[in-house]
Amino acid sequence: DIQMTQSPSSLSASVGDRVAITCRASQSISSYLNWYQQKPGKAPKLLIYAASSLQSGVPSRFSGSGSGTDFTLTISSLQPEDFATYYCQESYSNPPWTFGQGTKVEIK
Amino acid sequence: EVQLVESGGGLVQPGGSLRLSCAASGFTFSSYDMHWVRQGTGKGLEWVSTIGTSGDTYYPGSVKGRFTLSRENSKNSLYLQMNSLRDGDTAVYFCVRGDTMVQGVIPSYYYVMDVWGQGTTVTVSS
Repeated sequence: DIQMTQSPSSLSASVGDRVAITCRASQSISSYLNWYQQKPGKAPKLLIYAASSLQSGVPSRFSGSGSGTDFTLTISSLQPEDFATYYCQESYSNPPWTFGQGTKVEIK
Repeated sequence: EVQLVESGGGLVQPGGSLRLSCAASGFTFSSYDMHWVRQGTGKGLEWVSTIGTSGDTYYPGSVKGRFTLSRENSKNSLYLQMNSLRDGDTAVYFCVRGDTMVQGVIPSYYYVMDVWGQGTTVTVSS
């Protein structure tokens, strides 16, 4: 099975900061990479698919990049509502659908 | 409104059984793959099971042989029968819709989990 590794596991940032989260796959997955946002006590929400395509309704401050094994989720200007945990997920295997371990974005 | 509502969670002893249900509304249920994804307390997301539109099912090794996923399209419902439950099965269980996004002039197909229920909590404890 493909393993997905995110870094960092957590980060502290201020409103307005530019934030980047990375996700590495254990083998090439082309652009078959999704990003989800989860707020405490809530279900995850799809943010980005195909490594860089924004899901409908997601603010443009979110962007995704990468292909092969290395991917990045970038928030250009962190907003109060963006404090959450972010997960990457490979959609290359189908099944299984493997998630990264998550990156918690906290308020500095 | 597209919606998934889970039910059936609760407290069960190790070795016991539980049946989770998921009621779907706002979309053509029979046309979509459906999944269960779980999350232990303070932990990450773990894929638990999938049922395709044709009724084909998939499980990871951690639950294979213990969990059985089924669907009843006439009732827009999904069911997860969980047997031989273990402490490690304690989690919030999310019902999730799978979909395929198409991109490009030469189409490429990208699978997503695009609709999630609010989750139901399963606690396995003596």
